[in-house]
Amino acid sequence: DTEVTQTPKHLVMGMTNKKSLKCEQHMGHRAMYWYKQKAKKPPELMFVYSYEKLSINESVPSRFSPECPNSSLLNLHLHALQPEDSALYLCASSQDEERTSYNEQFFGPGTRLTVL
Amino acid sequence: SQQGEEDPQALSIQEGENATMNCSYKTSINNLQWYRQNSGRGLVHLILIRSNEREKHSGRLRVTLDTSKKSSSLLITASRAADTASYFCATDEEQTSGSRLTFGEGTQLTVNP
Repeated sequence: DTEVTQTPKHLVMGMTNKKSLKCEQHMGHRAMYWYKQKAKKPPELMFVYSYEKLSINESVPSRFSPECPNSSLLNLHLHALQPEDSALYLCASSQDEERTSYNEQFFGPGTRLTVL
Repeated sequence: SQQGEEDPQALSIQEGENATMNCSYKTSINNLQWYRQNSGRGLVHLILIRSNEREKHSGRLRVTLDTSKKSSSLLITASRAADTASYFCATDEEQTSGSRLTFGEGTQLTVNP
């Protein structure tokens, strides 16, 4: 299985809602990533988990809260978001973030988030 | 912050022609990768070239890397309409801990049938 899955595909939420994005991979990868991508722009890194521990937080606002319950799952909890947070949220995984020669990343299809 | 710059921003060609996209970066890297993204979907890894490599081929793709000029190019030969997509370069920067990919601004390639 060489697939990264993300749910839901689309999410519309109000600014007072709490929701979660989910990501799953069964490739045995030990690094997992959250990216945010605005229209016609490149993906921007938000968080990196390595061996289920948060290793990089790119100064993301606390209204985004990542969680890695196990090596196959990655969640992004959302609370009190702003309309400007509307974007495509991409999850990715790679074999091992320290073995940089093999750090190709496998991306999920993304969750299209709209904040009203 | 995005360190990669790509040119052109948009490229429109006819089927069968070759497409060349360029990427420049600023810092020392472990490797450089190229990804493809169809509209509104996830990215697909195309090819990785390590900092000690100068050229790499994969099917109709050819990637070059010039670390002295901090630049890379992606050549797609004999293009097809199905190659229409956005193409991003991404650099894996040398750093003391962790690993992050920094994506360029991307090139939107349109291949006309």
